[in-house]
Amino acid sequence: KQEVTQIPAALSVPEGENLVLNCSFTDSAIYNLQWFRQDPGKGLTSLLLIQSSQREQTSGRLNASLDKSSGRSTLYIAASQPGDSATYLCAGGMNRDDKIIFGKGTRLHILP
Amino acid sequence: DAGVIQSPRHEVTEMGQEVTLRCKPISGHDYLFWYRQTMMRGLELLIYFNNNVPIDDSGMPEDRFSAKMPNASFSTLKIQPSEPRDSAVYFCASSRHRGQGQPQHFGDGTRLSIL
Repeated sequence: KQEVTQIPAALSVPEGENLVLNCSFTDSAIYNLQWFRQDPGKGLTSLLLIQSSQREQTSGRLNASLDKSSGRSTLYIAASQPGDSATYLCAGGMNRDDKIIFGKGTRLHILP
Repeated sequence: DAGVIQSPRHEVTEMGQEVTLRCKPISGHDYLFWYRQTMMRGLELLIYFNNNVPIDDSGMPEDRFSAKMPNASFSTLKIQPSEPRDSAVYFCASSRHRGQGQPQHFGDGTRLSIL
Protein backbone atom coordinates (compact mmCIF):
# COMPACT_ATOMS: atom_id res chain seq x y z
CA LYS A 1 0.00 0.00 0.00
CA GLN A 2 1.38 3.37 -1.03
CA GLU A 3 2.20 5.77 1.79
CA VAL A 4 3.25 9.35 1.20
CA THR A 5 5.05 11.20 3.97
CA GLN A 6 5.90 14.86 4.28
CA ILE A 7 8.35 16.13 6.85
CA PRO A 8 8.28 18.56 8.56
CA ALA A 9 4.61 19.11 9.24
CA ALA A 10 5.24 22.82 9.69
CA LEU A 11 8.03 25.20 8.75
CA SER A 12 8.71 28.90 9.34
CA VAL A 13 11.41 30.76 7.44
CA PRO A 14 12.30 34.45 6.99
CA GLU A 15 11.30 36.15 3.77
CA GLY A 16 13.86 35.94 0.99
CA GLU A 17 15.30 32.57 1.93
CA ASN A 18 15.39 29.60 -0.39
CA LEU A 19 13.74 26.50 1.02
CA VAL A 20 13.10 22.84 0.27
CA LEU A 21 10.03 20.80 1.12
CA ASN A 22 10.39 17.04 1.24
CA CYS A 23 8.10 14.21 0.19
CA SER A 24 8.78 10.48 0.38
CA PHE A 25 6.75 7.56 -0.93
CA THR A 26 6.98 3.83 -0.25
CA ASP A 27 5.92 2.39 -3.61
CA SER A 28 8.11 3.39 -6.55
CA ALA A 29 5.45 2.29 -9.05
CA ILE A 30 4.14 5.79 -9.43
CA TYR A 31 2.85 7.25 -12.66
CA ASN A 32 3.42 10.84 -11.67
CA LEU A 33 4.07 13.05 -8.69
CA GLN A 34 2.17 16.25 -8.09
CA TRP A 35 2.73 19.16 -5.77
CA PHE A 36 -0.29 21.14 -4.64
CA ARG A 37 -0.80 24.32 -2.67
CA GLN A 38 -3.72 24.79 -0.28
CA ASP A 39 -4.66 28.15 1.18
CA PRO A 40 -6.87 28.30 4.30
CA GLY A 41 -10.50 27.62 3.48
CA LYS A 42 -9.70 26.83 -0.11
CA GLY A 43 -9.26 23.82 -2.34
CA LEU A 44 -5.98 22.52 -3.69
CA THR A 45 -4.18 24.17 -6.58
CA SER A 46 -1.83 22.07 -8.66
CA LEU A 47 1.62 23.64 -8.82
CA LEU A 48 3.76 21.13 -10.66
CA LEU A 49 3.29 17.65 -12.09
CA ILE A 50 6.26 15.40 -12.81
CA GLN A 51 5.73 12.38 -15.02
CA SER A 52 7.54 9.21 -13.98
CA SER A 53 9.88 9.55 -16.97
CA GLN A 54 10.92 13.04 -15.90
CA ARG A 55 13.36 14.17 -13.23
CA GLU A 56 12.11 17.67 -12.57
CA GLN A 57 9.71 20.44 -13.47
CA THR A 58 10.05 24.17 -13.05
CA SER A 59 7.54 26.99 -12.83
CA GLY A 60 8.78 30.43 -11.93
CA ARG A 61 10.41 30.30 -8.50
CA LEU A 62 9.33 26.68 -7.98
CA ASN A 63 11.29 23.59 -8.93
CA ALA A 64 10.16 20.06 -8.19
CA SER A 65 12.35 16.99 -8.53
CA LEU A 66 11.56 13.29 -8.55
CA ASP A 67 13.83 10.37 -7.71
CA LYS A 68 11.81 7.18 -8.03
CA SER A 69 14.66 4.90 -7.01
CA SER A 70 14.95 6.54 -3.63
CA GLY A 71 11.23 7.25 -3.28
CA ARG A 72 11.70 10.98 -2.85
CA SER A 73 10.52 14.25 -4.28
CA THR A 74 11.44 17.78 -3.31
CA LEU A 75 9.85 21.15 -3.92
CA TYR A 76 12.34 23.99 -4.02
CA ILE A 77 11.07 27.53 -3.51
CA ALA A 78 13.49 30.31 -4.37
CA ALA A 79 13.46 33.74 -2.78
CA SER A 80 10.45 33.02 -0.58
CA GLN A 81 7.75 35.67 -0.13
CA PRO A 82 5.00 36.10 2.46
CA GLY A 83 2.50 35.17 -0.26
CA ASP A 84 4.05 31.71 -0.39
CA SER A 85 2.59 30.96 3.05
CA ALA A 86 0.25 28.01 2.61
CA THR A 87 0.10 24.26 3.06
CA TYR A 88 1.96 22.29 0.40
CA LEU A 89 0.89 18.73 -0.36
CA CYS A 90 2.51 16.13 -2.56
CA ALA A 91 0.59 13.28 -4.15
CA GLY A 92 1.68 10.18 -6.04
CA GLY A 93 -0.36 8.82 -8.94
CA MET A 94 -0.18 5.05 -9.04
CA ASN A 95 0.48 2.90 -12.09
CA ARG A 96 -2.20 0.39 -11.26
CA ASP A 97 -5.16 2.76 -11.19
CA ASP A 98 -6.16 6.38 -11.54
CA LYS A 99 -5.96 7.30 -7.87
CA ILE A 100 -3.48 9.67 -6.32
CA ILE A 101 -2.28 9.25 -2.75
CA PHE A 102 -1.71 12.42 -0.74
CA GLY A 103 0.74 13.27 1.99
CA LYS A 104 -0.59 15.23 4.95
CA GLY A 105 1.23 18.36 3.85
CA THR A 106 3.77 20.84 5.15
CA ARG A 107 2.36 24.07 6.56
CA LEU A 108 4.72 26.83 5.45
CA HIS A 109 4.89 30.26 7.05
CA ILE A 110 7.11 32.93 5.52
CA LEU A 111 8.02 35.60 8.06
CA PRO A 112 7.97 39.17 6.71
CA ASP B 1 -12.77 28.70 -18.01
CA ALA B 2 -14.84 27.88 -14.92
CA GLY B 3 -13.24 25.63 -12.38
CA VAL B 4 -14.81 22.84 -10.36
CA ILE B 5 -17.90 24.18 -8.62
CA GLN B 6 -19.13 22.77 -5.33
CA SER B 7 -22.22 23.61 -3.33
CA PRO B 8 -22.99 24.41 -0.66
CA ARG B 9 -19.79 25.97 0.68
CA HIS B 10 -20.88 25.39 4.25
CA GLU B 11 -23.44 23.04 5.74
CA VAL B 12 -24.45 22.77 9.36
CA THR B 13 -27.05 20.20 10.24
CA GLU B 14 -28.16 18.01 13.07
CA MET B 15 -27.24 14.40 13.52
CA GLY B 16 -29.52 12.03 11.67
CA GLN B 17 -30.36 14.43 8.85
CA GLU B 18 -29.66 13.69 5.21
CA VAL B 19 -26.87 15.73 3.64
CA THR B 20 -26.35 16.18 -0.10
CA LEU B 21 -23.19 17.71 -1.51
CA ARG B 22 -23.02 18.77 -5.14
CA CYS B 23 -20.27 19.10 -7.69
CA LYS B 24 -19.97 20.38 -11.24
CA PRO B 25 -16.70 19.26 -12.84
CA ILE B 26 -14.75 21.12 -15.49
CA SER B 27 -16.26 20.58 -18.90
CA GLY B 28 -14.43 17.92 -20.89
CA HIS B 29 -12.88 16.18 -17.90
CA ASP B 30 -13.27 12.39 -17.89
CA TYR B 31 -12.64 11.81 -14.21
CA LEU B 32 -14.37 13.01 -11.07
CA PHE B 33 -13.09 12.40 -7.54
CA TRP B 34 -14.66 12.92 -4.11
CA TYR B 35 -12.30 13.48 -1.16
CA ARG B 36 -12.71 14.09 2.54
CA GLN B 37 -10.19 16.14 4.51
CA THR B 38 -9.74 16.11 8.29
CA MET B 39 -6.91 17.22 10.53
CA MET B 40 -6.35 13.70 11.79
CA ARG B 41 -6.49 11.73 8.56
CA GLY B 42 -5.56 14.30 5.94
CA LEU B 43 -7.04 14.01 2.47
CA GLU B 44 -8.77 10.71 1.76
CA LEU B 45 -10.24 9.53 -1.53
CA LEU B 46 -13.84 8.39 -1.10
CA ILE B 47 -14.85 7.44 -4.64
CA TYR B 48 -14.03 8.27 -8.22
CA PHE B 49 -15.85 8.11 -11.54
CA ASN B 50 -14.65 7.70 -15.09
CA ASN B 51 -17.07 8.78 -17.82
CA ASN B 52 -19.87 8.93 -15.21
CA VAL B 53 -19.27 5.33 -14.08
CA PRO B 54 -18.11 4.64 -10.49
CA ILE B 55 -14.74 2.91 -10.69
CA ASP B 56 -13.58 2.58 -7.10
CA ASP B 57 -15.69 3.25 -4.02
CA SER B 58 -13.42 1.44 -1.57
CA GLY B 59 -12.83 4.69 0.31
CA MET B 60 -16.49 5.22 1.14
CA PRO B 61 -16.54 4.79 4.92
CA GLU B 62 -19.85 2.97 5.22
CA ASP B 63 -23.24 2.41 3.67
CA ARG B 64 -24.48 5.75 4.91
CA PHE B 65 -22.42 7.31 2.13
CA SER B 66 -23.47 7.15 -1.51
CA ALA B 67 -22.42 9.00 -4.65
CA LYS B 68 -23.94 9.39 -8.08
CA MET B 69 -22.97 10.94 -11.36
CA PRO B 70 -26.07 11.06 -13.56
CA ASN B 71 -24.31 12.98 -16.32
CA ALA B 72 -20.92 14.42 -17.24
CA SER B 73 -21.62 17.76 -15.61
CA PHE B 74 -23.02 16.82 -12.21
CA SER B 75 -22.28 14.59 -9.25
CA THR B 76 -23.68 14.26 -5.74
CA LEU B 77 -22.35 12.81 -2.51
CA LYS B 78 -25.05 11.91 -0.03
CA ILE B 79 -24.81 11.02 3.64
CA GLN B 80 -27.89 9.48 5.25
CA PRO B 81 -28.16 9.48 8.19
CA SER B 82 -25.39 11.92 9.10
CA GLU B 83 -23.28 11.57 12.26
CA PRO B 84 -20.97 14.01 14.09
CA ARG B 85 -17.90 12.05 12.96
CA ASP B 86 -18.78 12.91 9.36
CA SER B 87 -17.82 16.52 10.05
CA ALA B 88 -15.03 17.41 7.61
CA VAL B 89 -14.29 19.34 4.45
CA TYR B 90 -15.42 17.46 1.36
CA PHE B 91 -13.69 18.19 -1.92
CA CYS B 92 -14.60 17.34 -5.47
CA ALA B 93 -11.90 17.24 -8.15
CA SER B 94 -11.86 16.50 -11.86
CA SER B 95 -9.21 15.71 -14.45
CA ARG B 96 -8.67 14.58 -17.99
CA HIS B 97 -7.31 11.10 -18.64
CA ARG B 98 -4.00 10.69 -16.90
CA GLY B 99 -2.41 9.65 -20.17
CA GLN B 100 -2.49 13.30 -21.08
CA GLY B 101 -0.49 14.17 -18.00
CA GLN B 102 -3.20 16.39 -16.62
CA PRO B 103 -3.37 17.36 -12.95
CA GLN B 104 -6.48 17.16 -10.82
CA HIS B 105 -8.43 20.40 -10.42
CA PHE B 106 -10.13 20.91 -7.07
CA GLY B 107 -13.22 22.79 -6.03
CA ASP B 108 -13.20 25.00 -2.94
CA GLY B 109 -14.87 22.30 -0.88
CA THR B 110 -17.92 21.97 1.34
CA ARG B 111 -17.28 22.44 5.05
CA LEU B 112 -19.72 20.08 6.78
CA SER B 113 -20.55 20.27 10.46
CA ILE B 114 -22.85 17.68 12.00
CA LEU B 115 -24.11 18.69 15.43
